[in-house]
Amino acid sequence: AQSVTQPDIHITVSEGASLELRCNYSYGATPYLFWYVQSPGQGLQLLLKYFSGDTLVQGIKGFEAEFKRSQSSFNLRKPSVHWSDAAEYFCAVGDMEYGNKLVFGAGTILRVKS
Amino acid sequence: DSGVTQTPKHLITATGQRVTLRCSPRSGDLSVYWYQQSLDQGLQFLIQYYNGEERAKGNILERFSAQQFPDLHSELNLSSLELGDSALYFCASSVTSGGVVYTDTQYFGPGTRLTVL
Repeated sequence: AQSVTQPDIHITVSEGASLELRCNYSYGATPYLFWYVQSPGQGLQLLLKYFSGDTLVQGIKGFEAEFKRSQSSFNLRKPSVHWSDAAEYFCAVGDMEYGNKLVFGAGTILRVKS
Repeated sequence: DSGVTQTPKHLITATGQRVTLRCSPRSGDLSVYWYQQSLDQGLQFLIQYYNGEERAKGNILERFSAQQFPDLHSELNLSSLELGDSALYFCASSVTSGGVVYTDTQYFGPGTRLTVL
């Protein structure tokens, strides 16, 4: 079955520092991968997605992610974190064998210290 | 703002009761998805509807049901509620045009927070 692992439950970074959130997936075919962000009390906002092509994808708010098939990873990065980036981040894989559902990781809570 | 609307925003009810959550998809989107977010289970897919018909079903309890109406809005019905049903329920929508659906992007609503007392 498809699965997504986000190894870090919490991450704390200083404002202005770089950020990398890890995501590993398990999927038999070509994966369709997503990163969503959830601010407290809010819904899920799409940051970026990978379907095919260039393995480095750019998203909103200065985020990028790199798809590495050999490592089954899709890590999210940002060169300089802002206090407003504090939120919970979810990696997801599209399960195309059954409708079009998303399988989510457990999420990583990002704290930004000033 | 994703364009997906959900009502109500909060719902507090008692065990054994029945509630209905409502979702309006983005204009032009034919697919609606329901997800449950809880502390112990995380984000779990419940069910997908496409243009009024059920497309896929996840770990949705038999006490839960959904439907999508001709105007494409959807309702999730939860009955015989238990304490463990307390969660945030999200609706998402996507285009799912008649061809390939694999590149669909799901846009999420703000959610309905259900509290069962």
